[in-house]
Amino acid sequence: LAKTTQPISMDSYEGQEVNITCSHNNIATNDYITWYQQFPSQGPRFIIQGYKTKVTNEVASLFIPADRKSSTLSLPRVSLSDTAVYYCLVGDRGDYKLSFGAGTTVTVRA
Amino acid sequence: DTGVSQDPRHKITKRGQNVTFRCDPISEHNRLYWYRQTLGQGPEFLTYFQNEAQLEKSRLLSDRFSAERPKGSFSTLEIQRTEQGDSAMYLCASKVTEVAFFGQGTRLTVV
Repeated sequence: LAKTTQPISMDSYEGQEVNITCSHNNIATNDYITWYQQFPSQGPRFIIQGYKTKVTNEVASLFIPADRKSSTLSLPRVSLSDTAVYYCLVGDRGDYKLSFGAGTTVTVRA
Repeated sequence: DTGVSQDPRHKITKRGQNVTFRCDPISEHNRLYWYRQTLGQGPEFLTYFQNEAQLEKSRLLSDRFSAERPKGSFSTLEIQRTEQGDSAMYLCASKVTEVAFFGQGTRLTVV
């Protein structure tokens, strides 16, 4: 499983865009990049998944450069309720095991 | 609501007692996982089922831990002779192909 590195924490204010970059230098050809969000005392919630270029859904965008050695999760116009831990995972979608790091704690202030 | 249901949500037990947790995955998902999460850490893999077969167990899963998934539907995780170090959030997830969906977890406190 490819190792990922992401910042431990980030602070932001309501209405701003938050960008979290994840490094995954050893990403394999079949690997996808998946992001989860976790609130205290809850299970991780799937946000977005991508393989290359850009993926967008109603919650976030995921930007993946051509070399795929990093990726950036973009949360537009955050609110207080976006305060959470965000995890970047890299792996083959057929893999049975998900490997979580410590994640990035995003704190949104009023 | 992800569709993965875990019961109970919270459990307080005395050291040395046995506890059992239940997970009901999303119905068409043949893959089921158990994870453990302690404060400030990401979830750690414990074990994995494909249908009713338990295909891998982490070395974190000591011989006091046992998991089953009879008939490939719901799963149970039992911890025997609980220790204070077992205090954690126990998470269940299910998956069919692309994305794993997690339940809300069971918070275990061993006193």
